Amino acid sequence: DGGITQSPKYLFRKEGQNVTLSCEQNLNHDAMYWYRQDPGQGLRLIYYSHIVNDFQKGDIAEGYSVSREKKESFPLTVTSAQKNPTAFYLCASSTQGGAGYGYTFGSGTRLTVV
Amino acid sequence: KQEVTQIPAALSVPEGENLVLNCSFTDSAIYNLQWFRQDPGKGLTSLLLIQSSQREQTSGRLNASLDKSSGRSTLYIAASQPGDSATYLCAVSGSGGSGSARQLTFGSGTQLTVLP
Repeated sequence: DGGITQSPKYLFRKEGQNVTLSCEQNLNHDAMYWYRQDPGQGLRLIYYSHIVNDFQKGDIAEGYSVSREKKESFPLTVTSAQKNPTAFYLCASSTQGGAGYGYTFGSGTRLTVV
Repeated sequence: KQEVTQIPAALSVPEGENLVLNCSFTDSAIYNLQWFRQDPGKGLTSLLLIQSSQREQTSGRLNASLDKSSGRSTLYIAASQPGDSATYLCAVSGSGGSGSARQLTFGSGTQLTVLP
């Protein structure tokens, strides 16, 4: 079955530590996205990529980094510069670099700072 | 900058009722509008996608309408069931020519509870 796999489902980070969230898709989608969701709020865009080896900052990119070395993979690193990283992180993909073609979302990673 | 508002933030109804969820957006120059469903602790499931040239879309008991000129969309759920309990999110994309301009802007959602 085609879809997006995010791992791990739950992640705990110590103060000052970098952590990496995995996102893999087998839908052959060109575009991939990372969103952050805080309680009672909508999704905010962190980074997006429309093609391999290229990515762009979203609305809240500070303290995050990404890479897009393969079409199938778009990992997100939450760095120690992100002061409030506790949130629910969602990865998504679409067939083209535009929302008109429908998005597929992963099941999310819940990150908690301990 | 596009802003999307969803009212009400939470809604509780008895099973069998028809209900309407509202979404408004500040910039009418959109490419499309989507409604998503999110179950607790889960990702998003796309329900309906309305292109800017369309007025409505239907899927089963769901009907979504779009009025671009007034910056409004409604999601109508007929004969609600306890299984419809979830958070419903509305999202719009811009109409800019490049892909970067077409990113989704989300509302904060309506949390729906259907009581048996």
